[in-house]
Amino acid sequence: NAGVTQTPKFQVLKTGQSMTLQCAQDMNHNSMYWYRQDPGMGLRLIYYSASEGTTDKGEVPNGYNVSRLNKREFSLRLESAAPSQTSVYFCASTLGHQSSYNEQFFGPGTRLTVL
Amino acid sequence: GDSVTQMEGPVTLSEEAFLTINCTYTATGYPSLFWYVQYPGEGLQLLLKATKADDKGSNKGFEATYRKETTSFHLEKGSVQVSDSAVYFCALRGVANDYKLSFGAGTTVTVRA
Repeated sequence: NAGVTQTPKFQVLKTGQSMTLQCAQDMNHNSMYWYRQDPGMGLRLIYYSASEGTTDKGEVPNGYNVSRLNKREFSLRLESAAPSQTSVYFCASTLGHQSSYNEQFFGPGTRLTVL
Repeated sequence: GDSVTQMEGPVTLSEEAFLTINCTYTATGYPSLFWYVQYPGEGLQLLLKATKADDKGSNKGFEATYRKETTSFHLEKGSVQVSDSAVYFCALRGVANDYKLSFGAGTTVTVRA
């Protein structure tokens, strides 16, 4: 099993450009999450999908959109990138079932720089 | 809302020293508590967990005890190695069925040989 995979690993954008970060998991998990990691601020939740067909805003959703394409895939889109979106982005997933303790598994991250 | 406050770093130690990283939380009900570790250039990995009061989580020589009375979940290791150099995150999962995590700011630990 590959676990949680993310593409691309690195990306440089100019202000105003758009891009989509891809995330996929092969663990048959129900719930998926997008976080951003900034120095001194830990990980902050951008959007999440508690189950296929649903998405909800997290702590810092402004400037982002998401799509839960199917059970495996959860993409994050920046419509008009801004320098404040320079960050490391992590995707995570968890089984999302009351019978499980629901450990979150993380992808390797995408390092995004917006000039 | 739920929140986690974590000891600020960075922390620099010599090999075989004792490590403590403090973590306190604010939450309603009985959350689950976690420590995640991030090695350089990698994603986060679960280090240990505790799902109810007085539980002790342990892994790779690290331990943390869920203290409801002090709302704390401090991470300890008795003898660190250079390979323990990483960023450590305390995290909380509340009682809602969305399984979201709230993270502390992270503590960077560097162990010198």
